[in-house]
Amino acid sequence: GIQVEQSPPDLILQEGANSTLRCNFSDSVNNLQWFHQNPWGQLINLFYIPSGTKQNGRLSATTVATERYSLLYISSSQTTDSGVYFCAVNGDDKIIFGKGTRLHILP
Amino acid sequence: DTEVTQTPKHLVMGMTNKKSLKCEQHMGHRAMYWYKQKAKKPPELMFVYSYEKLSINESVPSRFSPECPNSSLLNLHLHALQPEDSALYLCASSPLDRETIGYTFGSGTRLTVV
Repeated sequence: GIQVEQSPPDLILQEGANSTLRCNFSDSVNNLQWFHQNPWGQLINLFYIPSGTKQNGRLSATTVATERYSLLYISSSQTTDSGVYFCAVNGDDKIIFGKGTRLHILP
Repeated sequence: DTEVTQTPKHLVMGMTNKKSLKCEQHMGHRAMYWYKQKAKKPPELMFVYSYEKLSINESVPSRFSPECPNSSLLNLHLHALQPEDSALYLCASSPLDRETIGYTFGSGTRLTVV
């Protein structure tokens, strides 16, 4: 089956810093999403991005499908950005999650 | 309405209890999912319903019994659970044509089995 790897596993940053999270996947996919899971467990859909680049405020994402990776950029981090960021791809009628990047933004 | 609503938000149950988790969406999505998430792990798929019919069961123990009464509602019936079943249970929905907007998740039910 498709393998999804995320890096780094943990990231601690000062408020205001920028960060880049990476997602590698082992096979071609037609669906890739980035989620943010807040400390209360809510999985928030950030981007649906099987290819190309999208931006939403301080967040942007780029997927290069031919090279099987996606990047999530967070600029000017805020403490509310803390939580776990998951990349998920679609395979065999179900989504497969990476293990996530745990982000801590220090005030 | 662009939400998936799950109730209850928290549930504590004994090993001999019977309880149900409820999930509702009004986005016209025809696929609905149950996921289980343990602490510091990614969500793991349990069940998939397509057009109100069970299409995927990821070898889930029979003490978990899903039900899809209509296209907007998904239940998970719980009976004789074990303490190791304590977890966050997440519901999600998607259009069957997932190549548009992807999946939308509810806020989850945090289950504790005592």
